[in-house]
Amino acid sequence: GQNIDQPTEMTATEGAIVQINCTYQTSGFNGLFWYQQHAGEAPTFLSYNVLDGLEEKGRFSSFLSRSKGYSYLLLKELQMKDSASYLCAVRDSKAAGNKLTFGGGTRVLVKP
Amino acid sequence: GAVVSQHPSWVICKSGTSVKIECRSLDFQATTMFWYRQFPKQSLMLMATSNEGSKATYEQGVEKDKFLINHASLTLSTLTVTSAHPEDSSFYICSASTRASYEQYFGPGTRLTVT
Repeated sequence: GQNIDQPTEMTATEGAIVQINCTYQTSGFNGLFWYQQHAGEAPTFLSYNVLDGLEEKGRFSSFLSRSKGYSYLLLKELQMKDSASYLCAVRDSKAAGNKLTFGGGTRVLVKP
Repeated sequence: GAVVSQHPSWVICKSGTSVKIECRSLDFQATTMFWYRQFPKQSLMLMATSNEGSKATYEQGVEKDKFLINHASLTLSTLTVTSAHPEDSSFYICSASTRASYEQYFGPGTRLTVT
């Protein structure tokens, strides 16, 4: 089975940086995803890590350490529109068809 | 590319009736489709994995006779909530993937309200 933990809520100020941590335990690891989800909408893809290290995409970066079962999503130069839930999801190499298991999600509130 | 649609986007039904939700991959062939359920302020919970032409694989605790899944073609999967009850009210989201891609492409979701 899989166990994925991330903080429930975080608050940050517009223009600041926020780091959302995700720890996981899995029987077979085959990639970690970060998604952004605004209320009432479907998740949108942010990043994918399968090897250790940092992946940078504009204001968003994601880091992975497979030995530690740890990832973080870094949001820089926060904007009001970044207020959303951020979902960490792990793909199980032992499950067929790219099955993902999602963490509980982290609600980020950006304040002026 | 990689667009997934769902229909309807929202539906209200009476308790005891059945509701069908469609999930379509518009510009690619999806070898696998997934159905998720999301309650307010909670994360996505996988209900079942559906491969074209074969029976769906349901997650533990999900009643296969209540949530009927059909994946008749590489571009269409349907979820039918049978004999719906108010506790089935939720946001249902499908996603689709191909063998060639690591990513799942999500549909826009269907808001089901059972009165």
